[in-house]
Amino acid sequence: DQQVKQNSPSLSVQEGRISILNCDYTNSMFDYFLWYKKYPAEGPTFLISISSIKDKNEDGRFTVFLNKSAKHLSLHIVPSQPGDSAVYFCAASAPDMRFGAGTRLTVKP
Amino acid sequence: DAGVTQSPTHLIKTRGQHVTLRCSPISGHKSVSWYQQVLGQGPQFIFQYYEKEERGRGNFPDRFSARQFPNYSSELNVNALLLGDSALYLCASSPGLAGGRETQYFGPGTRLLVL
Repeated sequence: DQQVKQNSPSLSVQEGRISILNCDYTNSMFDYFLWYKKYPAEGPTFLISISSIKDKNEDGRFTVFLNKSAKHLSLHIVPSQPGDSAVYFCAASAPDMRFGAGTRLTVKP
Repeated sequence: DAGVTQSPTHLIKTRGQHVTLRCSPISGHKSVSWYQQVLGQGPQFIFQYYEKEERGRGNFPDRFSARQFPNYSSELNVNALLLGDSALYLCASSPGLAGGRETQYFGPGTRLLVL
């Protein structure tokens, strides 16, 4: 029962360009959303979050957008850097966390 | 300050055996959650413990159990191991009991292989 879906398993962008990672969810009871990134051999690291009462949250190069009517959220990274290359997980809380399958981002120099 | 630590880092077991995984949360954190990450999928919630009590349970069979100790460290136990239990087991800690609304800090995980 995948309530959080990341339909793109991988994404490749050029350094300096924008990276857009997408996430869809099905459960309207989710009220808090998070993005984590994961490097090999490490646990996921918290990146940014957004409450369901907001539609945008920004932290430096990272912005998360939430479209509740479409049950869709996205993570924008601008500008992308090679160090951003990692697997990015979208997660939703209600209140236990449900994760998507992840998107592997590769930023090419 | 030390982050979340987990032991062992890797483990190989055979079907039917029992395994115990350990987790030490960040100092001052009272909540510990366990997740299973199968290859190619995202982490799946197993348990959350807060103040030594179970506060949440995911859709896992009774072969999975956990406990939290007075120092807030935690153990995850899996009995009668199946091949499908092969996964990365992640532990996450957070200061209190706000569920996923509180930032959870993950350890590096224990990779379990069941043969």
